[in-house]
Amino acid sequence: NAGVTQTPKFRVLKTGQSMTLLCAQDMNHEYMYWYRQDPGMGLRLIHYSVGEGTTAKGEVPDGYNVSRLKKQNFLLGLESAAPSQTSVYFCASTLGTPFYEQYFGPGTRLTVT
Amino acid sequence: TQLLEQSPQFLSIQEGENLTVYCNSSSVFSSLQWYRQEPGEGPVLLVTVVTGGEVKKLKRLTFQFGDARKDSSLHITAAQPGDTGLYLCAGFAYSGAGSYQLTFGKGTKLSVIP
Repeated sequence: NAGVTQTPKFRVLKTGQSMTLLCAQDMNHEYMYWYRQDPGMGLRLIHYSVGEGTTAKGEVPDGYNVSRLKKQNFLLGLESAAPSQTSVYFCASTLGTPFYEQYFGPGTRLTVT
Repeated sequence: TQLLEQSPQFLSIQEGENLTVYCNSSSVFSSLQWYRQEPGEGPVLLVTVVTGGEVKKLKRLTFQFGDARKDSSLHITAAQPGDTGLYLCAGFAYSGAGSYQLTFGKGTKLSVIP
């Protein structure tokens, strides 16, 4: 099993550009999450999904949209990137209980200039 | 809002030394998880402690959950360079009616010098 994979690993955007981050898991996990990690701020939850076709806002959802059309995939979109969205983004998933014992992907480092 | 404070924020020690990392809160958690994150990678779950007073050992790492389930500690015996990384604690709370929450601490960055 590959576990949780994220695409791309690195990306540089200009202010105002859009992009989509892809997260895929092959563990048949029900729940999936998107976090951002910034120095001194720790991990902050952006959006999460409790099942295929459902999404919910986390702690810092503004400027991001998500979709979970297939159980194994969770997409994070930035419609108009801003320098404040420069961060490392992590996707995670859990099996039976929301937020309990998460499996994380390797991360995507995004820089917005 | 539940907060988890980790201390120290940074720790640099020599190989072979012992160390303890603390994770404290004023809130009660159903369980507490510890993760380790190496540079350029995502966090990896090390252990979950569930019962107040519980102690779990993972080779040279000892994890303890406070009696009141508000705090936890991680003790590493005879640290090795391979222990270098960011240690994160995360408190899990279930408040009923399908309401779950996971609160991450900001982490302790450990460097073990050979």
